[in-house]
Amino acid sequence: DIVMTQTPLSLSVIPGQPASISCKSSQSLLHSDGKTRLYWFLQKPGQPPQLLIYEVSNRFSGVPDRFSGSGSGTDFTLKISRVEAEDVGVYYCMQTVQLPLTFGGGTKVEIK
Amino acid sequence: QVQLQQSGPGLVKPSQTLSLTCAISGDSVSSSSAVWNWIRQSPSRGLEWLGRTYYRSKWYIDYAASVKSRIIINADTSKNQISLQLNSVTPEDTAVYYCTRRFGDLWGQGTLVTVSS
Repeated sequence: DIVMTQTPLSLSVIPGQPASISCKSSQSLLHSDGKTRLYWFLQKPGQPPQLLIYEVSNRFSGVPDRFSGSGSGTDFTLKISRVEAEDVGVYYCMQTVQLPLTFGGGTKVEIK
Repeated sequence: QVQLQQSGPGLVKPSQTLSLTCAISGDSVSSSSAVWNWIRQSPSRGLEWLGRTYYRSKWYIDYAASVKSRIIINADTSKNQISLQLNSVTPEDTAVYYCTRRFGDLWGQGTLVTVSS
């Protein structure tokens, strides 16, 4: 199975300041079709995860442009340019290049 | 508006069968672009993919090795829904269960299933 490792475990951010989350995979997430199968989710308390970013850097419909994703191969980053109060929750990365789909352990973001 | 509506019991006794359904509205279970997953989440195991089904001229089903001997995922085209059966449950199967579409662009509301006598 592909292991997804997220850092840090938690992040406390002043509103308006940037935040960055790292996700590393144990194998390359580059699919034979040329797409890299790395996704980012935010889970707010009491809700299912919601898709933020698909295929490394594509913002999902309705996701604010303060969220951006980057990376390649086995190394990926989610950045929030200016954190807002509504961004609190747990962020997860996920890979779909190989079964089983696997998730990172999560990064909890809170407001300072 | 596409929605996934989950239903099923929240309490299952050990050794019995966990059964959940996921009714799809606004999309077709047999859509050639859809893949339907079951995922669960628990404090001890995090987010864990259990299996998926999809239709590409015929039905395909894949299961996670960790539950392969105990799981059945079905699609019901007449009801436009998918279902999950997990047999011989133990307290380790206590989790919130989600159905999802494709790579997680759509999630059901989640069902907390507790395995306890």
